[in-house]
Amino acid sequence: GENVEQHPSTLSVQEGDSAVIKCTYSDSASNYFPWYKQELGKRPQLIIDIRSNVGEKKDQRIAVTLNKTAKHFSLHITETQPEDSAVYFCAARNGNFNKFYFGSGTKLNVKP
Amino acid sequence: GAVVSQHPSWVICKSGTSVKIECRSLDFQATTMFWYRQFPKKSLMLMATSNEGSKATYEQGVEKDKFLINHASLTLSTLTVTSAHPEDSSFYICSAPGTTGHNEQFFGPGTRLTVL
Repeated sequence: GENVEQHPSTLSVQEGDSAVIKCTYSDSASNYFPWYKQELGKRPQLIIDIRSNVGEKKDQRIAVTLNKTAKHFSLHITETQPEDSAVYFCAARNGNFNKFYFGSGTKLNVKP
Repeated sequence: GAVVSQHPSWVICKSGTSVKIECRSLDFQATTMFWYRQFPKKSLMLMATSNEGSKATYEQGVEKDKFLINHASLTLSTLTVTSAHPEDSSFYICSAPGTTGHNEQFFGPGTRLTVL
């Protein structure tokens, strides 16, 4: 099955700085890569996603890049704000079975 | 967007009892739903795929007799944790794929299970 690895497990940045979270996946059949933000005890919230036929996508302060050859994708948050503090998960969807596999999560702490 | 609900939002039970968790798609039909469990400060682990009208498919290492899944209708899937033990205590989340072809996955709010 799919194996999604995520780094770092914790990330602490100063307000206004950028944050980068990286993920790798193993299954070449994966074709969709969403990123989720999860607050304690809440459901994951989709913040950005990218399909396998696209290399980069940006939405205001958030961007995602995908290197399909290397099987890795990254989340970039610029001009971080304290409210960005949360746990972020990457995921990969198996295109054959529509299953989602999640990375281990990154706890982002933005210090004011 | 589409809404997925779960009931109950939290449950406390005694060891040895069974607990049923419901997952409903409120404004769309879902022939497939997914069940995840999440331990504190850990990731979401896919447990099984619930299929309307047929048997659920379980991920490797997940006991199907322990976690019974029934997808009774196009809007309802249930997960029953049988003979629960303290190690089954976890956050259980269901999800359903959207129907617009845009890859989205809609998550329920989760159910916190505590087994005493």
